[in-house]
Amino acid sequence: GENVEQHPSTLSVQEGDSAVIKCTYSDSASNYFPWYKQELGKRPQLIIDIRSNVGEKKDQRIAVTLNKTAKHFSLHITETQPEDSAVYFCAASKTTGGFKTIFGAGTRLFVKA
Amino acid sequence: ETGVTQTPRHLVMGMTNKKSLKCEQHLGHNAMYWYKQSAKKPLELMFVYSLEERVENNSVPSRFSPECPNSSHLFLHLHTLQPEDSALYLCASSQDTGTYGYTFGSGTRLTVV
Repeated sequence: GENVEQHPSTLSVQEGDSAVIKCTYSDSASNYFPWYKQELGKRPQLIIDIRSNVGEKKDQRIAVTLNKTAKHFSLHITETQPEDSAVYFCAASKTTGGFKTIFGAGTRLFVKA
Repeated sequence: ETGVTQTPRHLVMGMTNKKSLKCEQHLGHNAMYWYKQSAKKPLELMFVYSLEERVENNSVPSRFSPECPNSSHLFLHLHTLQPEDSALYLCASSQDTGTYGYTFGSGTRLTVV
């Protein structure tokens, strides 16, 4: 069946370094790729998204890239800060052939001060 | 508040009890969702409603019964649950079931004893 693989499951970086989280999806019909951040004990929040007609999108310190051919998309966080520590989830959605959104398993990011 | 409110925040119930989870959104969204979040597992889609009509039932056991009386309210009725049903139950809404990000509620932490 369709799935989304997310790596790594845990990532520890030093404050100020960059962090990269990668996801691979299996359904080539997927056309929308959001990223969510979930801090401990809180709700997941949408932080950035990208649609299939775009290769890259940036919002301040975070950016997302999409390679449709390889079915990869990645989240890049630059100049990490302790408040970036959270679990990050990627997802792949499609609207053709029925509704479907599949989430990755999540990446726990630790930013050490 | 993000616009999606879930009650109660915490619930402890016995296996023979009947309880209901409530979700309310004031964002004017047309789609609402129930997700189950268990430790070390991806977010699991349970139900999707679009314009009050159920469009997805992701092979969820019948002991979980959703209800969507209008586009602003969503319920999850629970009965004869099992201990393995203990999890965080998240409600979310989006503009439509198309390529739009979700706004999540804070969740109901359910413990079945």
